[in-house]
Amino acid sequence: QVTLKESGPGILQPSQTLSLTCTFSGFSLSTYGMGVGWIRQPSGKGLEWLANIWWDDDKYYNPSLKNRLTISKDTSNNQAFLKITNVDTADTATYYCARIETITTYFDYWGQGVMVTVSS
Amino acid sequence: DVVLTQTPVSLSVTLGDQASISCRSSQSLEYSDGYTYLEWYLQKPGQSPQLLIYEVSNRFSGVPDRFIGSGSGTDFTLKISRVEPEDLGVYYCFQATHDPYTFGAGTKLELK
Repeated sequence: QVTLKESGPGILQPSQTLSLTCTFSGFSLSTYGMGVGWIRQPSGKGLEWLANIWWDDDKYYNPSLKNRLTISKDTSNNQAFLKITNVDTADTATYYCARIETITTYFDYWGQGVMVTVSS
Repeated sequence: DVVLTQTPVSLSVTLGDQASISCRSSQSLEYSDGYTYLEWYLQKPGQSPQLLIYEVSNRFSGVPDRFIGSGSGTDFTLKISRVEPEDLGVYYCFQATHDPYTFGAGTKLELK
């Protein structure tokens, strides 16, 4: 059974760095073809893909966030991470992690999401 | 970036009706391997998105056959025959052919 769960700080101030953790079970990020993606959704708005990390440590980012994103993984602890530097109120959103495979390219399992508020 | 334009923005239906959602892409979604990585997700109220359709027309495991995806190139459609209460929510198309991946803005399916 595949499950994913996001965790984060809840609230942070503008200019700080947002650190998110995705803890998953039922698959391994050391398995060929496996990946984890991050997607966010401002309240009442649509979905935005942020980044993917793959089993071979290959990483893809949404260039709209320029160089603010860093995705990483801890294979031994079944975790993936996303950092967003220099946050502002526009980064207030629910952040989801989801499983993806290279052979399929779809997000088949999603976490419940974690709400993050950026406020001074 | 590839822009996915979904129409309509919202759709009011009666239970048992058919619903149709369009997704148009700013460029062809056929990848060099011959596959078209266009997917449909449904986000029910208060829930995470869930995968319905992948590669234009393939239903994901457990998705009822009343969900039918079709299209090619830049024009895609999701049809829901005989809408049921559990089908209500926001539908998003999504493309993974071109970097960066992009979502459509969503279509809200609600009861008339």
